[in-house]
Amino acid sequence: GQNIDQPTEMTATEGAIVQINCTYQTSGFNGLFWYQQHAGEAPTFLSYNVLDGLEEKGRFSSFLSRSKGYSYLLLKELQMKDSASYLCAVSSNDYKLSFGAGTTVTVRA
Amino acid sequence: IAGITQAPTSQILAAGRRMTLRCTQDMRHNAMYWYRQDLGLGLRLIHYSNTAGTTGKGEVPDGYSVSRANTDDFPLTLASAVPSQTSVYFCASSDSIDGPGDGYTFGSGTRLTVV
Repeated sequence: GQNIDQPTEMTATEGAIVQINCTYQTSGFNGLFWYQQHAGEAPTFLSYNVLDGLEEKGRFSSFLSRSKGYSYLLLKELQMKDSASYLCAVSSNDYKLSFGAGTTVTVRA
Repeated sequence: IAGITQAPTSQILAAGRRMTLRCTQDMRHNAMYWYRQDLGLGLRLIHYSNTAGTTGKGEVPDGYSVSRANTDDFPLTLASAVPSQTSVYFCASSDSIDGPGDGYTFGSGTRLTVV
């Protein structure tokens, strides 16, 4: 089976930086995804890493270390609209996505 | 239709009743998936289809069935609903079955309550 761990909740102040960690143990590895999900809405794609290193997309960056089974999502210059759940998902041997339980980020003024 | 459409948006269902959740996509994606999302457990794969005419079991398939008669439609049926099937159900699709592609596109979800 797949084991994907991420913190349950995080709180940060508007304008600050927050780092959401994700560790995984899966049957094979074909990439790691981060999704954003606002309350009551569908998950939306944020980032994809398949090689080690940092991928940057505006205020959001994602890092991957395959040897450590570790990724993080970095949210910079936090805005109130960034309050959401962030889902770490791993594509394994069969190319299906397995998801972590999600990290709820609350941004405070 | 743009993307994935799920119906109904929400439903309250008596235990023992049969229910079909509908999912339609207009992106001509080959692969489609059904997930359920429960608090503290995240998204869990119920069934999937890599292409029209084929289906497979995911992590939590018991009590559910699917069919894939064509590329666009992927209905999920609960033959005899039980309260533990109370959940939010998401349909998703992908343009690739042998690689992550651009990830999954999700529908807006169906909130099902079994009483």
